[in-house]
Amino acid sequence: GQQLNQSPQSMFIQEGEDVSMNCTSSSIFNTWLWYKQDPGEGPVLLIALYKAGELTSNGRLTAQFGITRKDSFLNISASIPSDVGIYFCAGQTDNAGNMLTFGGGTRLMVKP
Amino acid sequence: GAVVSQHPSRVICKSGTSVKIECRSLDFQATTMFWYRQFPKKSLMLMATSNEGSKATYEQGVEKDKFLINHASLTLSTLTVTSAHPEDSSFYICSASYPGGGSYEQYFGPGTRLTVT
Repeated sequence: GQQLNQSPQSMFIQEGEDVSMNCTSSSIFNTWLWYKQDPGEGPVLLIALYKAGELTSNGRLTAQFGITRKDSFLNISASIPSDVGIYFCAGQTDNAGNMLTFGGGTRLMVKP
Repeated sequence: GAVVSQHPSRVICKSGTSVKIECRSLDFQATTMFWYRQFPKKSLMLMATSNEGSKATYEQGVEKDKFLINHASLTLSTLTVTSAHPEDSSFYICSASYPGGGSYEQYFGPGTRLTVT
């Protein structure tokens, strides 16, 4: 089945630093979604990407849909303590009934 | 917009009993809802896809007789864990599919922590 490789698995950074994480796949996806999950909560949608090459921002977050449709990255600029959490990428294909394939997650820790 | 609620948020039950978890889309109609299970420090594992008015589609390895799913309306899906055992203890999360800019985005509920004693 399809698999998403998300890296890094965890990051421990200083407040104010920029963060970058990415997902790669052996299969093509038509949509890439990035979620953030706080402890004990459900994932919250951060950014949705629909076209290959698309670059989308949401505040300090920027995500890109890779041109090959097999990868995506998420950048967080000037990190703050509330950025702490687990970030998941998810890919979606049109012929999979809107199902999502999730990456393994990136655990972000920010030191004030 | 695109708010999904889950109830209860936490439940503790005794082994052998059944537990029902509700998932509601509050401000949109969701023809498709999904049920996930998440183990500590792990990613989300899809259990089943629930379509309004039809039988749920279960992922390989998920027992449909143990995890009963009902999607009776466009805003409500329920997951019933029957004859629960301690190994069923987990974090269960639902999501509802909502048409986005070019596809169907999934919006997640806050999750239900199930503990079976």
